[in-house]
Amino acid sequence: QLQLQESGPGLVKPSETLSLTCTVSGGSISSSSYYWGWIRQPPGKGLEWIGSIYYSGSTYYNPSLKSRVTISVDTSKNQFSLKLSSVTAADTAVYYCARQRIWFGESYFDYWGQGTLVTVSS
Amino acid sequence: SSELTQDPAVSVALGQTVRITCQGDSLRSYYASWYQQKPGQAPVLVIYGKNNRPSGIPDRFSGSSSGNTASLTITGAQAEDEADYYCNSRDSSGNFWVFGGGTKLTVL
Repeated sequence: QLQLQESGPGLVKPSETLSLTCTVSGGSISSSSYYWGWIRQPPGKGLEWIGSIYYSGSTYYNPSLKSRVTISVDTSKNQFSLKLSSVTAADTAVYYCARQRIWFGESYFDYWGQGTLVTVSS
Repeated sequence: SSELTQDPAVSVALGQTVRITCQGDSLRSYYASWYQQKPGQAPVLVIYGKNNRPSGIPDRFSGSSSGNTASLTITGAQAEDEADYYCNSRDSSGNFWVFGGGTKLTVL
């Protein structure tokens, strides 16, 4: 059974960089046809897609966050990571990592991590 | 603002049928996927593609699409179906993904 687990600091200061890692177990991050994505959810609000990466390093980013986001992959560790720079209180959210299947006209996130709350505060 | 529009809240009597909709121009070209989220939990995929259910999802959940509208139907809603439901699809350009604002389903 595929499992994803987010890890990283739960508290980040304003203007600093948020860094999270997602560790994939029970399967290979190098599987073809799957991307690996980050999604966030501010407290009491809806889901927002941040970006996705293929094992080769090909990425898609949310245009509204693109200038501040970097997603990378480490196939040797079966991990992928998120960096979000110049954070503000508006970046406070539960951050999820998920596996994304992209196939012609359809796409979906079929496995999710449990999520990790990141608070931006001094 | 989201490019996929959902009603904020919908209610259904126990055992009845409810349809949750998602509207957006991109849905004319791409299928939506649907996620159920209960308080304090990660979202769970319930419908993807034309009308596909992952293993373990009850067959009372079904999906459909017409024009710019995708729908999630729950036939015979149960108390445990009370949750937030989100649709997701590519944007109109096909270059990124967007979630709908979510629909809070109450089972009366």
